[in-house]
Amino acid sequence: EVQLVESGGGLVQPGGSLRLSCAASGFTFSDHFMDWVRQAPGKGLEWVGRTRNKVNSYTTEYAASVRGRFTISRDDSKNSLYLQMNSLKTEDTAVYYCAREEDVGSYQLDYWGQGTLVTVSS
Amino acid sequence: SYELTQPPSVSVSPGQTARITCSGDALPKQFAYWYQQKPGQAPVLVIYKDTERPSGIPERFSGSSSGTTVTLTISAVQAEDAADYYCQSADSSIGYVVFGGGTTLTVL
Repeated sequence: EVQLVESGGGLVQPGGSLRLSCAASGFTFSDHFMDWVRQAPGKGLEWVGRTRNKVNSYTTEYAASVRGRFTISRDDSKNSLYLQMNSLKTEDTAVYYCAREEDVGSYQLDYWGQGTLVTVSS
Repeated sequence: SYELTQPPSVSVSPGQTARITCSGDALPKQFAYWYQQKPGQAPVLVIYKDTERPSGIPERFSGSSSGTTVTLTISAVQAEDAADYYCQSADSSIGYVVFGGGTTLTVL
């Protein structure tokens, strides 16, 4: 059974940093592109970014709203995905989901974690 | 930047058919995906590649595509179908995932 479990959320002050983790199981993690998606309270889904797999050089893309502040990485030996968030703003407050892309280049997010809440507030 | 446009809300009575549209200039070139999200839960994929239904998704969920518009159709709507629905596609030229703004389906 495919499982994605996020952790690391919490309360952080504006300008602070936080690192989210996503533990994957039930599939060959190293084969898949992985994404982060967030959802501000009462708002819609917003794509944050993605990391490709080793065959595709672990390249990353980011939404304009987080580029330069957030960094996505992965450790295939630990079946884990990470989101390093720096220079956090109040507008980054959201539930953060990790999601698996079903196939290379498909953009199809077929499995999602349960999400972890990040609150940026003084 | 590439955008997908959905109606904010759709309302139907139980047993009727609900149709939720999603419009975007790149939809003729890129597949669309639909997700269902209930309060406090993660999104669930209900339609992929415009028209395909994942295993475990009821047959009353279907998808169609015509030009720059894709449509999620839910036949014989049940109370349990009340949820937010999001379309998603991609700007493949830059590798971005794009979501529509979401549609709240109300079952009267």
